[in-house]
Amino acid sequence: DAGVIQSPRHEVTEMGQEVTLRCKLISGHNSLFWYRQTMMRGLELLIYFNNNVPIDDSGMPEDRFSAKMPNASFSTLKIQPSEPRDSAVYFCASSLGQENTEAFFGQGTRLTVV
Amino acid sequence: AQRVTQPEKLLSVFKGAPVELKCNYSYSGSPELFWYVQYSRQRLQLLLRHISRESIKGFTADLNKGETSFHLKKPFAQEEDSAMYYCALTSSWGKLQFGAGTQVVVTP
Repeated sequence: DAGVIQSPRHEVTEMGQEVTLRCKLISGHNSLFWYRQTMMRGLELLIYFNNNVPIDDSGMPEDRFSAKMPNASFSTLKIQPSEPRDSAVYFCASSLGQENTEAFFGQGTRLTVV
Repeated sequence: AQRVTQPEKLLSVFKGAPVELKCNYSYSGSPELFWYVQYSRQRLQLLLRHISRESIKGFTADLNKGETSFHLKKPFAQEEDSAMYYCALTSSWGKLQFGAGTQVVVTP
């Protein structure tokens, strides 16, 4: 397995445009996390899925952000419309969903909104 | 509420000196705690977990439930230890939450 795969690796977009970030989980994993990393706020949990169901989306900053899991191995994080303050590195991670299991991270998507 | 606190944003130490990264948590249940590390331009990866009581790359961490702490320690820092370190906690639901992170810089 190639691990958690995120695309694109880098995204530069203009303010107001829609941005879609993609994540492919490790086969067999049933928990999926989306995180946002910035210098000021560190690593923030945006949303957490278990068995394709959103369990906790309290970290999603506002209605402009939405996340889906159309199937067990794939997830998208969409920002519409994007704003400059959304600029950050977005990570997804997957795990077996049990308490003490390791989460495996993707390489991240560096988003720049100009 | 589930919370992880890392009070130090930056820790600068000399090679060979001891290093300790502080982590405190709040959680109403029985916590599962981890340390993750992110080397420059690499993805986050697990360093160690409290339940396995292991030492990885010379690092150890002891869970102190009385002080609600899980500090990471290494007796002799090496230059390759320079990285971003995150303390993390999982709830019974498997929700994985991180502290703000501590940047460690080891200078020769």
